[in-house]
Amino acid sequence: DAKTTQPNSMESNEEEPVHLPCNHSTISGTDYIHWYRQLPSQGPEYVIHGLTSNVNNRMASLAIAEDRKSSTLILHRATLRDAAVYYCILRANTGTASKLTFGTGTRLQVML
Amino acid sequence: NAGVTQTPKFHILKIGQSMTLQCTQDMNHNYMYWYRQDPGMGLKLIYYSVGAGITDKGEVPNGYNVSRSTTEDFPLRLELAAPSQTSVYFCASSYSGDTNYGYTFGSGTRLTVV
Repeated sequence: DAKTTQPNSMESNEEEPVHLPCNHSTISGTDYIHWYRQLPSQGPEYVIHGLTSNVNNRMASLAIAEDRKSSTLILHRATLRDAAVYYCILRANTGTASKLTFGTGTRLQVML
Repeated sequence: NAGVTQTPKFHILKIGQSMTLQCTQDMNHNYMYWYRQDPGMGLKLIYYSVGAGITDKGEVPNGYNVSRSTTEDFPLRLELAAPSQTSVYFCASSYSGDTNYGYTFGSGTRLTVV
């Protein structure tokens, strides 16, 4: 599986936007970019995913670079409940049993 | 809307003992997965199943066994527990292995082997 690189930690102020970067320079043409987050003492939860175009949902936005070598997860207004570890994961579109492989992610702290 | 349910939430096991971690899902998902998470690390895949009667190894299968007799249940068996198996275990499920389907995770079982 292609690797991703994320900063170990980031801080944000409450009610401000947060941009979480992810580098994936070895991404292949069929790899989807997935984001999950893990709140303290909980299992990971799905946030968003995309292939080439930017994506929006109720939780976040995903901005994908034109060359697909990097992407950014955007939380439009961070709240204390967004404090979590955010994982950027590449999933190969193999057709069956495309598994999630987790790195160490970015720990987001949200300050009052 | 139970989702993925794991039991127990916490357990202390003695070295050499065996136990089964239970996982059940009520979403009629075909795919199920077991991960472990060591402190400060990401999750590592232990075993997965693509349907009842079909299981396969993940990245770190040694010391574990699984079975999948029904769509709903995917228990993880630890034989001869070792301190290295102290970890938080997460079960997950997905409707399909296709990349357009996300995983739903349980809340985890925190296991300590002493």
